[in-house]
Amino acid sequence: SQQGEEDPQALSIQEGENATMNCSYKTSINNLQWYRQNSGRGLVHLILIRSNEREKHSGRLRVTLDTSKKSSSLLITASRAADTASYFCAFRSNAGNMLTFGGGTRLMVKP
Amino acid sequence: DVKVTQSSRYLVKRTGEKVFLECVQDMDHENMFWYRQDPGLGLRLIYFSYDVKMKEKGDIPEGYSVSREKKERFSLILESASTNQTSMYLCAIRGVDEAFFGQGTRLTVV
Repeated sequence: SQQGEEDPQALSIQEGENATMNCSYKTSINNLQWYRQNSGRGLVHLILIRSNEREKHSGRLRVTLDTSKKSSSLLITASRAADTASYFCAFRSNAGNMLTFGGGTRLMVKP
Repeated sequence: DVKVTQSSRYLVKRTGEKVFLECVQDMDHENMFWYRQDPGLGLRLIYFSYDVKMKEKGDIPEGYSVSREKKERFSLILESASTNQTSMYLCAIRGVDEAFFGQGTRLTVV
């Protein structure tokens, strides 16, 4: 299965700044999801956006989806040191039932 | 709360050993997955199962097998562990959309 691509691979910001991560994919999707992974742990689901949605909010998280460009972005506003983690996009294609994961972005938020 | 439990957080095994990684869920989900995660390579799907006694190969099944005798338990088997199987192994279940992951098993083969 073809993986999504995320950029940047790593991001380092100061506490209070916003963090933006991008995800691109190559197929037609049913939905796109974002997950967070603390170091050495499993992934935790953050937010899901469907193919007919353009933007979604959850607390300090904002996700956008542009199906014409086959891309999505995750914005974390007013970041905190506790946001330090890796963030993965995952998408479910229309052709199948599988979730395909991107390579992840490692975010470090410095206090 | 959904619970996906992997039997070990850390495991060290010798080359050639047979290794069992166990995953148990408490949500009665049909879909269960095994991934391995390596730096720079993201998550790669090893095997998955949609039902008891049913299994399907993922992207990198070589060197692995699986067992699903009961709905709640999905086991990953390394028939003869090799050093290139040193990795983080993640079990996941999935409902309609969202996936739930176990805490991961970091396996080192020496």
